[in-house]
Amino acid sequence: GQSLEQPSEVTAVEGAIVQINCTYQTSGFYGLSWYQQHDGGAPTFLSYNGLDGLEETGRFSSFLSRSDSYGYLLLQELQMKDSASYFCAVSGGGYQKVTFGTGTKLQVIP
Amino acid sequence: NAGVTQTPKFRVLKTGQSMTLLCAQDMNHEYMYWYRQDPGMGLRLIHYSVGEGTTAKGEVPDGYNVSRLKKQNFLLGLESAAPSQTSVYFCASSWTGQGNQPQHFGDGTRLSIL
Repeated sequence: GQSLEQPSEVTAVEGAIVQINCTYQTSGFYGLSWYQQHDGGAPTFLSYNGLDGLEETGRFSSFLSRSDSYGYLLLQELQMKDSASYFCAVSGGGYQKVTFGTGTKLQVIP
Repeated sequence: NAGVTQTPKFRVLKTGQSMTLLCAQDMNHEYMYWYRQDPGMGLRLIHYSVGEGTTAKGEVPDGYNVSRLKKQNFLLGLESAAPSQTSVYFCASSWTGQGNQPQHFGDGTRLSIL
């Protein structure tokens, strides 16, 4: 099967940097994705890592270490609108589907 | 740019009633998914489809049935609703199943079973 662990809540100050970690266990790992979901909204795709290393998209970066079964999402220059839940999701295991973590609720405070 | 459209957006049912949730996508995606989201549980996969006419069970399939008669539509049915099925239901679609192509989500259906 597949399982993921990420912190349930994180609080950070506007303008700061925050890192949300994700560890996973899966057979036949293919890649790690990140999604953002605002309260009452739909999840939206942020990034995907299929290989080790850092992927950068504007203020957001995502990192993967396949040997450590670990990844993180880095949010820089935090803005109030970044307050949302962030889900890591692992694909693999031959089931042609993605398994989501339980999500990290990020609260950005002034 | 409709993307993924779910109907209805809200529904209240009585225990034992049946209903069908409709998901439609206009991106010609092969893969479609139904998830349920409960507080603290993240997104859990109910059923998915890798193409027209095919369906498969996900993580929590009991009490639900699905059909994919047309490529653009994926229907989720509750034959006899139970209070435990009170949840927010999301439909999603994607080009591939490996996660390297993003899943596009609908706005969700908020379902309450009394």
